[in-house]
Amino acid sequence: DIQMTQSPASLSASLGETVTIECRASEDIYNGLAWYQQKPGKSPQLLIYNANSLHTGVPSRFSGSGSGTQYSLKINSLQSEDVASYFCQQYYDYPYTFGAGTKLELK
Amino acid sequence: QVQLKETGPDLVQLTQTLSITCTVSGFSLTTYNVHWVRQPPGKGLEWMGAMWNGGGTDYNSAFKSRLSISRDTSKSQVFLKMNSLQTDDTAKYFCASSNSGYGVMDAWGQGASVTVSS
Repeated sequence: DIQMTQSPASLSASLGETVTIECRASEDIYNGLAWYQQKPGKSPQLLIYNANSLHTGVPSRFSGSGSGTQYSLKINSLQSEDVASYFCQQYYDYPYTFGAGTKLELK
Repeated sequence: QVQLKETGPDLVQLTQTLSITCTVSGFSLTTYNVHWVRQPPGKGLEWMGAMWNGGGTDYNSAFKSRLSISRDTSKSQVFLKMNSLQTDDTAKYFCASSNSGYGVMDAWGQGASVTVSS
């Protein structure tokens, strides 16, 4: 199985700040990567797919980048509604696998 | 508007079988794919398997032969069935639809919380 290593596990940032979350795959996943946001008690919501494509309705302050085994999610100008956990997921190969998640809190 | 809703038992006895139904609206099961993903309390996400729009299925081998996914297109329902439940199967079980790419889960149900009791 492809292992997805996500960092950091938790992150504290101030409103208006830019934050970056990293995800490293155990092998090349050829941009088959998605990012999800999950607020407490809610289901995950798709943010980014194909490593850098913004899902419909997602604010443009979210962006994804990367290639090969290294990917990142950037949130510009952090808003209070961005407090959530974030997960990366590879869909290049079966079984699809997720990173362990990053919990983002406000400082 | 794409919607998914999971219905199933809150409590299942140890070694028994779990059955959850995902009822969808706003799309056809012959057009979109549907995935099952679970999340143990306070933990991460685990992909369990998928029902493809053509009727085929794929499973996470971690569940070996105890997982089965099926559908009834006339009722817009996808079914998850998993036997030999253990306490570490306690989790919230989500169904999610996929239209942006085979493995991209672009809409999710609210989830069904299941506790396996000994």
